[in-house]
Amino acid sequence: SQQGEEDPQALSIQEGENATMNCSYKTSINNLQWYRQNSGRGLVHLILIRSNEREKHSGRLRVTLDTSKKSSSLLITASRAADTASYFCATDGGFKTIFGAGTRLFVKA
Amino acid sequence: DARVTQTPRHKVTEMGQEVTMRCQPILGHNTVFWYRQTMMQGLELLAYFRNRAPLDDSGMPKDRFSAEMPDATLATLKIQPSEPRDSAVYFCASANTYNSPLHFGNGTRLTVT
Repeated sequence: SQQGEEDPQALSIQEGENATMNCSYKTSINNLQWYRQNSGRGLVHLILIRSNEREKHSGRLRVTLDTSKKSSSLLITASRAADTASYFCATDGGFKTIFGAGTRLFVKA
Repeated sequence: DARVTQTPRHKVTEMGQEVTMRCQPILGHNTVFWYRQTMMQGLELLAYFRNRAPLDDSGMPKDRFSAEMPDATLATLKIQPSEPRDSAVYFCASANTYNSPLHFGNGTRLTVT
């Protein structure tokens, strides 16, 4: 069963706009990770945020974590056509890494 | 640039045939995962290993699936006999330590007719 659930399922925006994706999870975690998957390829790790952190930045990515609400968000600023991909959150369930269903992002040039 | 290698990239087989998928994890990574991805179920964890020992394979149909790590450089996932519902993309991923980022291969796309 999936631990994390992303919202929205799909998102279409214009190049230059910001994209926000949300993830909710069910049980307590040690950390939460975000991954990107381009069509036909494996997942690529983007960013990891620990349970005692509230916000983390990496380039154009900003991740927040609210453990009281069991939720996280991924913000991509100034999106580019190359950001078109599926984005997944992943949580640690014991020793396992469990992925949500993903958000499909389409950035129109 | 170190990466996880999976073979074959594509496999088409008939129902009832044995399928073997292989994975070479990144050298030095002690944790290996097998995932299956379908449109309906998303990414499902099938099995994972630490230091070559299977820690959890509860996500696998035991009657037909088996996963092994004969050595630190090779992980295998076998399906015998294969069924059309096994059609999916199978991913291998490796990690350096517990709770560290996963590095994925590009998957094996399996089609069972």
